[in-house]
Order: sequence, then C-alpha cells, then structure tokens
Amino acid sequence: GAVVSQHPSWVICKSGTSVKIECRSLDFQATTMFWYRQFPKQSLMLMATSNEGSKATYEQGVEKDKFLINHASLTLSTLTVTSAHPEDSSFYICSAADGDQPQHFGDGTRLSIL
Amino acid sequence: DAKTTQPNSMESNEEEPVHLPCNHSTISGTDYIHWYRQLPSQGPEYVIHGLTSNVNNRMASLAIAEDRKSSTLILHRATLRDAAVYYCIPPSGGSYIPTFGRGTSLIVHP
Repeated sequence: GAVVSQHPSWVICKSGTSVKIECRSLDFQATTMFWYRQFPKQSLMLMATSNEGSKATYEQGVEKDKFLINHASLTLSTLTVTSAHPEDSSFYICSAADGDQPQHFGDGTRLSIL
Repeated sequence: DAKTTQPNSMESNEEEPVHLPCNHSTISGTDYIHWYRQLPSQGPEYVIHGLTSNVNNRMASLAIAEDRKSSTLILHRATLRDAAVYYCIPPSGGSYIPTFGRGTSLIVHP
C-alpha cells in the first residue's frame, strides 16, 4: 500500500531555532501534500495545501513566513518552522495524495521547543 | 463546505460489530466520503472511501445512504487494536481540501 515517510519523528530544540520536517511518498507520486498541526486532545488542523512545483496555499491564520513549505518534487515536501518558540510546540503531520485519491499520512513529528 | 456530524464517543465489546455513523447533509454530488482513524500519538490511517455504493475492504465496510446525506462505517468484529478516533471526511465541493472534525472516539472493552 501507499507509504508516507515523515522525518524526524520527534525534535527537541531551543527557542529561536529553525526546524525542518520532511515528508516523502515512498511508492507513489504525490500531486498534493497537506500539512496539519494537532494539539493535545484536539483534532487535526489543516495548515496548508501544497501542490508540486507551485506555492503552498495556507489556511487562514497560518503565517506563511513562519511555516515555510516547499514541494519541489512529486515525492518530497518540507515544512520549516522558522525561529520556533514554545507556542509552536505541537504534533505536526503530513499527508500525501495522488489526485483525488485518499490521503496517506506520515507518522507525525512531535516538536518541543524549550 | 460539507460539514460532518459524528458522535463524540462510542463503546463496544471485543468481537462485537460496531456501527459508526456520520451525517454529511451538505455533501455535493461528486464528493467521495473518506474515513480515517487515528491511534494515539500516530498519524491518521486510511480506512475506506466510497461515492454511492456500499464498499467493503479488509478493514471495514462502508454503508452509504441512498441520498448520500449520511454514511456508516462498520467494523464487523471489533478488536482492542480498533480503539481509535474515527474521522468521516467528505471533501468540500469538488476541490479536495480535507478538514477534520472532532471524530468519534471508539472505546473497545475486552
């Protein structure tokens, strides 16, 4: 079945550091990738939609200069949290889809900013 | 947007069938209905999807109402590993922007 690899699975870093999270579709081409954030005991909140070769579309309230998304190929998208602060600590999850096929999710990245 | 309504939680005993309902009364005619589930501290997992006809796969069955305003995910024999939050997601109006509601937290008793 379709596999999405997300790396790293957890990160602990100091305030002010920038953190990059990678999302790869291993056995299919992902025309669209999605980035979500999830706080404890809450549902997934869509941050942005990314199509290969074009700029990401950010949801309302998500700072595009804070959360940089690059989708340079059909198998790789990256999310960079720039100058991270404690309030950015969360569980970040990516997903990938080929056209209108179902999404396949990564295992998430737990980000803790000290 | 196609809004969904699911019960906050449901309980089942192991080895018994479970029917998880979802109302999506504003779904458009060409939107597929997708179901995902999320175990603690993991990313969501695809379960099943369908358009109009009932669907079966190795994980579950999906029963879709004739008017498509509701659907039911059926786990034929619940196991402890099925304890998760189940999300019903119809995409919004032809442009597939999947948004997650609160889902149904399924508790399975041994």
